[in-house]
Amino acid sequence: NAGVTQTPKFQVLKTGQSMTLQCAQDMNHEYMSWYRQDPGMGLRLIHYSVGAGITDQGEVPNGYNVSRSTTEDFPLRLLSAAPSQTSVYFCASSYSFQQHSGNTIYFGEGSWLTVV
Amino acid sequence: TQLLEQSPQFLSIQEGENLTVYCNSSSVFSSLQWYRQEPGEGPVLLVTVVTGGEVKKLKRLTFQFGDARKDSSLHITAAQPGDTGLYLCAGLPQETSGSRLTFGEGTQLTVNP
Repeated sequence: NAGVTQTPKFQVLKTGQSMTLQCAQDMNHEYMSWYRQDPGMGLRLIHYSVGAGITDQGEVPNGYNVSRSTTEDFPLRLLSAAPSQTSVYFCASSYSFQQHSGNTIYFGEGSWLTVV
Repeated sequence: TQLLEQSPQFLSIQEGENLTVYCNSSSVFSSLQWYRQEPGEGPVLLVTVVTGGEVKKLKRLTFQFGDARKDSSLHITAAQPGDTGLYLCAGLPQETSGSRLTFGEGTQLTVNP
């Protein structure tokens, strides 16, 4: 009953370091996405994937890379961390990318990232 | 500029009061969802509305999608401290390919006992 699992929960990085946020889902969902949440900004889409081998940019993709080699995993890579990337990151998944009634999006518990 | 504007941003009320949260846009949405988020957790879906004028009820929560599918509201009757949380609306703009869910900035609700 894992759902969407994100790791790590908390991370502190120095400016210029790189790191990968891991996301895994065990529901055989086609659609996976990464959001960042900042105060007063709601959730903003970074990257998304509609299936294994397919990724696309969201609203705020700069400074982030993603890959989708398997259905289950969708890691988010920070190439060279900057203080502006201090945020809470959420991974989400759903059965398909069609946002119709009954197609629930499941979110992970979040990853708190601080870049100093 | 947010595609979805939520109001109010903050709301603090007493237990038993009623409240309404609004989610407005100048764009048309194929569907709109409401989420509730508690501290330290991810958002949890409450409801999805897809038809203009649609009203859905979830116990003391009533959700309405505007006739023109540009706005939505969430009404809570007789609020309880357990309703405290961040309420987010999110929608799929009609002109997009269907993969970009857009979120409002959220309404932080505090219900005091």
